Amino acid sequence: NAGVMQNPRHLVRRRGQEARLRCSPMKGHSHVYWYRQLPEEGLKFMVYLQKENIIDESGMPKERFSAEFPKEGPSILRIQQVVRGDSAAYFCASSPFPENTEAFFGQGTRLTVV
Amino acid sequence: GESVGLHLPTLSVQEGDNSIINCAYSNSASDYFIWYKQESGKGPQFIIDIRSNMDKRQGQRVTVLLNKTVKHLSLQIAATQPGDSAVYFCAEISAGGYNKLIFGAGTRLAVHP
Repeated sequence: NAGVMQNPRHLVRRRGQEARLRCSPMKGHSHVYWYRQLPEEGLKFMVYLQKENIIDESGMPKERFSAEFPKEGPSILRIQQVVRGDSAAYFCASSPFPENTEAFFGQGTRLTVV
Repeated sequence: GESVGLHLPTLSVQEGDNSIINCAYSNSASDYFIWYKQESGKGPQFIIDIRSNMDKRQGQRVTVLLNKTVKHLSLQIAATQPGDSAVYFCAEISAGGYNKLIFGAGTRLAVHP
């Protein structure tokens, strides 16, 4: 059973471009969480999604950021018109149930905005 | 509360010694806590968890202690090994009934031979 798969592992974008980060949860997991990590800091919650639904997006910036988890395919975190401050590691986690004790993390996507 | 952009505190230990990593959590209503290990360039890895109705839980070489009175968690690692070198984060589940993790600031553990 493959773990949570994120791609790309590294992404470089120029200011103003769009970044699309993908997350394939573990098989059988229908709950996906996105987190952002700045250097030397802990992870910060961004958004929680179930299939086709956004449950909690309280950690998402109000502009330029969006997330989806379609019925088929991976979850996508999309950042439009990237700025240097968006440079960070973005992690996805998944769990089979909303209250399962363990959420499994992917290896992350490291976004660098130049 | 939210962590700030400070350099991570570092705990340096000799191989074979016991390590204790501490964490203060923010929400007295949180009822579930997890310790994660994060190696360089990797995602967080689950180590051990504890619920608020317990004050101690043991795993293999690791023990987590919970003091709800002062909102404090600790992770004890017995016979620390070089492979334990990593950044360790505590995380709490906020109210809401799902796995919305609130992470602490983290501690870097450096194990010296």
